[in-house]
This record gives sequence, structure tokens and C-alpha cells, in this order.
Amino acid sequence: ETGVTQSPTHLIKTRGQQVTLRCSSQSGHNTVSWYQQALGQGPQFIFQYYREEENGRGNFPPRFSGLQFPNYSSELNVNALELDDSALYLCASSLGGLTETQYFGPGTRLLVL
Amino acid sequence: AQRVTQPEKLLSVFKGAPVELKCNYSYSGSPELFWYVQYSRQRLQLLLRHISRESIKGFTADLNKGETSFHLKKPFAQEEDSAMYYCALRASNTGNQFYFGTGTSLTVIP
Repeated sequence: ETGVTQSPTHLIKTRGQQVTLRCSSQSGHNTVSWYQQALGQGPQFIFQYYREEENGRGNFPPRFSGLQFPNYSSELNVNALELDDSALYLCASSLGGLTETQYFGPGTRLLVL
Repeated sequence: AQRVTQPEKLLSVFKGAPVELKCNYSYSGSPELFWYVQYSRQRLQLLLRHISRESIKGFTADLNKGETSFHLKKPFAQEEDSAMYYCALRASNTGNQFYFGTGTSLTVIP
């Protein structure tokens, strides 16, 4: 059984560019959540996907979008990058259901210049 | 609005001393509360959740609805407890979204 993996580990972009971050769920998990963690802050919920459908969204603008694939891996896309988008982006997978534990990936650190 | 507050950004205790990490929440529904921990150079992981009413690594946390608190406690701190601790709330009225506090960095002094 493999854990949650994320790629890339680090990324540098410039303002206005677009970025795609990737997440592979833990084996058997059908639910993926994405979080943004700014320096010195706790993770902030961006959205969740369950069986390829968006299943909840936090207070993030539409330029943050996502996808979940049939193998339950996931992408986070951010368009028109802003300086404030610089953060650690975490994904977490779970089996779904209200009592299931989330397992976090190591994160992708994005720097927007 | 849902909110999780951890009033202490930093907390230092001596080895063997009791430790309490504070967490208060604001939520209109029936909350589900969690503590997550991040050890140095490791990923965020679940420590415990209130519905399980279990003790993990000697830590316990009791949900107090009257005081809207979910403080994390351990009677005798160990050096390996040094880590970043996050309190989190899952809100069933907003699509089971998680709200995290800003975290408390615990240092256990040998």
C-alpha cells in the first residue's frame, strides 16, 4: 500500500501564469481534498472531490479548479497566479464517508514571483 | 461562521510536566473535532478525533460543548512530543469541509 504522493515538490512561477499540481491518492481511496497552507497558518480547505465530482468547496475564487480522474488521482489548477498564492499546497485522501481518516501528502511548495 | 482558534502559537514545557494545548471553536451545528500533528520533516497526520474517545500516544482531548473547547492534554510530556499541533473541525453543514486552527508549536525541553 502506497501513501499519498504529490508532484512537483517545489515550483516557482511568475504572476499571471498558470500552474497544475498533482496528487496520487493512497491505494483504494476515492476522496481527495486540497488545502492551501500559507506560512505560519493552518491548512485552508480549497475543495474536495469524491468519485470524480466536486463535493465541497471552500472560500477560493474560481481560478482555483480541480479534477479527479477515474483512478482517483487529482489535479489542482490555479490560473492567473497572484503573489498571495505562494503557499504549501496539500492534498489528502480518504475512503470517503464521515468517519474516514484523511491521509496527507507531503505538499507542493509554490512560490509566485 | 465556522472558526477554530488556537491561542498559543508556541508552547514550551519540561519533560515529564503536564501539557495542555488549547483549542476553541465556533460552529452552529454538531461539531466533529480532530487533532492533527506534524513532526519535524514529516507530513501532517491525524492524532485523534473526539468521536473515538481514545488516547493516542498518551494524549486525550475532551469535547466541551458548553465552553466550545477541545483542548489536547497529556499528563507527562516526552521529548518526542515536540511537534506542530493543529486543531480541526469538520463542518457537516458546509459539505464536510475542514477548518484548521493556526497551530501550536510544542517544544518539550529535556
